[in-house]
Amino acid sequence: GAVVSQHPSWVICKSGTSVKIECRSLDFQATTMFWYRQFPKQSLMLMATSNEGSKATYEQGVEKDKFLINHASLTLSTLTVTSAHPEDSSFYICSASALLRGGGETQYFGPGTRLLVL
Amino acid sequence: AQSVTQLGSHVSVSEGALVLLRCNYSSSVPPYLFWYVQYPNQGLQLLLKYTTGATLVKGINGFEAEFKKSETSFHLTKPSAHMSDAAEYFCAVSVYTGNQFYFGTGTSLTVIP
Repeated sequence: GAVVSQHPSWVICKSGTSVKIECRSLDFQATTMFWYRQFPKQSLMLMATSNEGSKATYEQGVEKDKFLINHASLTLSTLTVTSAHPEDSSFYICSASALLRGGGETQYFGPGTRLLVL
Repeated sequence: AQSVTQLGSHVSVSEGALVLLRCNYSSSVPPYLFWYVQYPNQGLQLLLKYTTGATLVKGINGFEAEFKKSETSFHLTKPSAHMSDAAEYFCAVSVYTGNQFYFGTGTSLTVIP
């Protein structure tokens, strides 16, 4: 089946630095990718919707200047956490929409990236 | 607007016993419903989904769920729990399979030997 990868799988960084997380669809083209974050013992919360070649749409309460999303190609979306702070420590998961041969779409989730900001 | 409520943040069952994880949804349009499983420090794995058609949906690992429109529910069941079923389970709703998902708060399943 279709695979979505994320890189890195985990990252530790110092407060104030920026971290880039990549989300790739490995064997299909994804016109739409979604970024979620998950705090420990909590559910996934949608951060933003990313469409190839256009600006991302952010959910209410998500700072677009802090969480920069770039969807430069049909197989790659990146999330950059700028000037990271300890409260940004979380599990970030992306998903990608894939067209089905018989029509319609489905979504595939990446394995997630665990970010720890010291 | 769409939302999901999962009753019971923690469920414990004995190995071999019935598993029942509850999910109720709210949707202003006909919903697409999903169950995902998440093992520690891993991403989400799709168990099953309901889009249209048959309301009883069978998924992987022996799980199934029934869409009941009148009850706005999509409960997940498995006749006999296995130790490997211990994980976090998330119910999600969407207006379309390619659209954003709204997740419930999750249910942690513990299987007692």
